[in-house]
Amino acid sequence: RKEVEQDPGPFNVPEGATVAFNCTYSNSASQSFFWYRQDCRKEPKLLMSVYSSGNEDGRFTAQLNRASQYISLLIRDSKLSDSATYLCVVNNEPGSGNTGKLIFGQGTTLQVKP
Amino acid sequence: DTEVTQTPKHLVMGMTNKKSLKCEQHMGHRAMYWYKQKAKKPPELMFVYSYEKLSINESVPSRFSPECPNSSLLNLHLHALQPEDSALYLCASTPRGGLSYNEQFFGPGTRLTVL
Repeated sequence: RKEVEQDPGPFNVPEGATVAFNCTYSNSASQSFFWYRQDCRKEPKLLMSVYSSGNEDGRFTAQLNRASQYISLLIRDSKLSDSATYLCVVNNEPGSGNTGKLIFGQGTTLQVKP
Repeated sequence: DTEVTQTPKHLVMGMTNKKSLKCEQHMGHRAMYWYKQKAKKPPELMFVYSYEKLSINESVPSRFSPECPNSSLLNLHLHALQPEDSALYLCASTPRGGLSYNEQFFGPGTRLTVL
């Protein structure tokens, strides 16, 4: 089983749609959670951190359920510019003296169409 | 300066060449990372430097040799690479080393082709 698993995608949605991505992680000791966005042939960019209380940034809402080890990202009113790959990322508890390691999901591709 | 820079943007090398990738950040971050990313796959961690010391080596072949000359600079020396090493090489940094759970900031990457 992969440490971080995401919806396989791709998701093809019309402009204005609401789309939800789900992600599960296997290490209950995981400490930090993020959604990154990666455009084709570009570097990953932080979209948002995910907090236990849930958090919102404009059209984007992230939720974390530690008991179920489940993370979600909701995008409302999709724009053409939202087309990208969305990576669910977990920062695991490091070993003694080590920096935490980011564990990436496989990514979910979103294509927003006119 | 709030970015991670990488040079070169593109690199084509033969299997007998020696080349180096460079990464720089001036945000005062104390942990820096090298990742390798193949097409349609997530980044794979290669090395982590924390406070200028090699903290993690993910069993990377010795033909890849990292170096951290100072807290702002990270190099990846390449020698005798194979065609399957062709990939996007990403550098990242995070504010704190040690027990750090911060998000990482990525550079634009170097697209490497090994002939």
